[in-house]
Order: sequence, then C-alpha cells, then structure tokens
Amino acid sequence: QSTLKESGPTLVKPTETLTLTCTLSGFSLSSSGVGVGWIRQPPGKALEWLALIYWNDDKRYSPSLKSRLTITKDASKNQVVLEMTYLDPVDTATYFCAHISRYYTLWDNYYVFDFWGQGTLVTVSS
Amino acid sequence: QSVLTQPPSVSAAPGQRVTISCSGTSSNIGNNYVSWYQQLPGTAPKLLIYENDKRPSGIPDRFSGSKSGTSATLGISGLQTGDEADYYCGTWDSSLSAGPYVFGTGTKVTVL
Repeated sequence: QSTLKESGPTLVKPTETLTLTCTLSGFSLSSSGVGVGWIRQPPGKALEWLALIYWNDDKRYSPSLKSRLTITKDASKNQVVLEMTYLDPVDTATYFCAHISRYYTLWDNYYVFDFWGQGTLVTVSS
Repeated sequence: QSVLTQPPSVSAAPGQRVTISCSGTSSNIGNNYVSWYQQLPGTAPKLLIYENDKRPSGIPDRFSGSKSGTSATLGISGLQTGDEADYYCGTWDSSLSAGPYVFGTGTKVTVL
C-alpha cells in the first residue's frame, strides 16, 4: 500500500521559514511518471496548489508564491521537502502532500493527483 | 485565489441527485482533463473522478463526471448521508498567472 505522510512544525513565528517533509512509502520518486505535489488549505477555505516535483527533477511552483517556495527531493530518504520563507499569519493552513501519477490516453498523457497524505496543520503566530 | 468557480453549496434529500458545476476558461478546463476530489469532514481530499468522467477503483457509479467546453459537472445520484462533504474540481492551467494546477472554490454537499 502506497502512502505519504507530512511532518514539520505545528507553530511557526511570522517572518520565519517553514520546512515541511513528505515521507513516501510503497513507491519511489525515482520511477518514471511519478511526482509529488504540495497543496494547502486555510481553515474553512478552499484548496490551494503550491508546488510539485517530478521523478526527473522537473519542478513547478504557484506563480503567486514562487518567490517564497523551494521544493526538493531526497531519493535516498524517499522524501520531498517544501520550504516556504517569510511566513505570515495568512499562511496558517493544513498542508498536504499528494502523489502524482502519469495517465495515458490514445492521444496523449497527463498527470493526476491520485492520493494524498493526511495533512499537517501549521499555525503562524507570534 | 481559486481560478475555477463552483457553487458554494448544494443540498438534497437522501436518494435524490445533485450536480455540482465547475466553470473555468480555455487555459484550464477547455484544454485539459478535469479531476474531482471529495473531502469528508476532517480528512484529506480523495480522488473521485479523473479524465473528466472516469472513476478510480472503489468509487461507486453513483458518482459521475462530464465536461463540455470550459465547464465540468460532477453528479451524485442516490444521495447518502455519507456523501456529506466538500467537493473540489481541479485541472491543469497553461496561463502564466495561474497554475500549472488549479482547484475550484469548493462545494459543500448537504443531505437534508
């Protein structure tokens, strides 16, 4: 059974840097077509996609947060790490990591966020 | 922040059918496959529909998806109390100001 689990601090002070780790189990980010994404959800609000990284180290970021985000992978530890700088109280949210699979049709291929970690709540407060 | 627009809430009695719309543009829904996610209270989102209308293994056929132009629709028939959840659409976006992945604003389904 493949799973993902998020870990990191539950409380961060404003202006500090947040480092979140997604530990993968049952699959490898070295496998072709596999990726991991980060998504967050402020309390009572909608999902917001943040960043993703593919097996080939291709990385993508949300345009509105790109200057503050860095996503990396550690194949030896089977982990994906997300760093977010200059935290603000508006960054208080549950942060999820999700597995990305490549799907094929007769004409092309595309990617799907097909299963998610349980999420970790991060509160930004002094 | 959300690029895709959904109704805030829909409701119906047990056994009835509800539909949830997801409106986008040519840079997202119009040229990409749509997924739908179900988020039960206090849990992580779960993939419900992918490639506009396909169900992952284990998802009952009471859930259906469709796409037309720049809009997509999720249908839930034979509504059950266990279907009370928030539902989100999601797809890829080729515009420079959004994406590359965008979610909908979310819809809360209430079973009366």
